[in-house]
Amino acid sequence: EPEVTQTPSHQVTQMGQEVILRCVPISNHLYFYWYRQILGQKVEFLVSFYNNEISEKSEIFDDQFSVERPDGSNFTLKIRSTKLEDSAMYFCASSAPGLAAYEQYFGPGTRLTVT
Amino acid sequence: AQSVTQPDIHITVSEGASLELRCNYSYGATPYLFWYVQSPGQGLQLLLKYFSGDTLVQGIKGFEAEFKRSQSSFNLRKPSVHWSDAAEYFCAVAHARSTGNQFYFGTGTSLTVIP
Repeated sequence: EPEVTQTPSHQVTQMGQEVILRCVPISNHLYFYWYRQILGQKVEFLVSFYNNEISEKSEIFDDQFSVERPDGSNFTLKIRSTKLEDSAMYFCASSAPGLAAYEQYFGPGTRLTVT
Repeated sequence: AQSVTQPDIHITVSEGASLELRCNYSYGATPYLFWYVQSPGQGLQLLLKYFSGDTLVQGIKGFEAEFKRSQSSFNLRKPSVHWSDAAEYFCAVAHARSTGNQFYFGTGTSLTVIP
C-alpha cells in the first residue's frame, strides 16, 4: 500500500539554525500538508499546498517557515531560524483529487528538537 | 469557528471490555469527520471517516463511530478492546476548501488497556 514517507525521523538542531524537513507524498496525490504536534498537545495545521503554491496557512506558519515542492516528488518544510518553541513532531500529509481530498494520509513524522 | 472537543484526556479499560471515546465538533456546514489513531512513536493512521449517508460507519480494527447531528457528536466505539488498541486517538473535522482541506484535531484521548 502506498504511504507517505518522511526524513529524517529525528532532527536535533541548535537554536537559530535552519532545518529542512522532507516528505515524499503518495505519488498520485495533489494536495500536500504540514502539521505539527508539540509534545502532549493537539495536532495543529500549518499549511496546505496545491498546484505549486500555498493554498492556506495558519497563524503558526509565519515568515520563518516556507514550503517547497522542488522536484515533483519531494515536499519540504523549511524553518529558517529555529526557536526552542519549534520543538515538535512535524507530520506531512497528502490527499488525492476529488472527494478523496478529504482523506489525508499522514507520514510517520519528524521529531524536531531545538536546543 | 471550527473546533473539535475530546472531553476525555485519558481512559483506562480492561482487555475485552467495550470502549467509547467521545468527540464533539463545532462546524457550520455538514462536517466531514475522522478518527485517527497514533501508536507511540508512530504517525497518524486513519481508523474511519464520515462524509454522508449512513450515520454508523465501520472502520479498521473493529472500530465503529456514530454521527449524531443533533448532538454534534461523532463517538468512537469498539465492543471488545484488545491490548494492542492502547494508543492515542484523535478526532478531526475537515474544513473544506477547493484547494485542499484543513483538518482541525481534538486534543486526543489516551487509551490504556489493562490485562
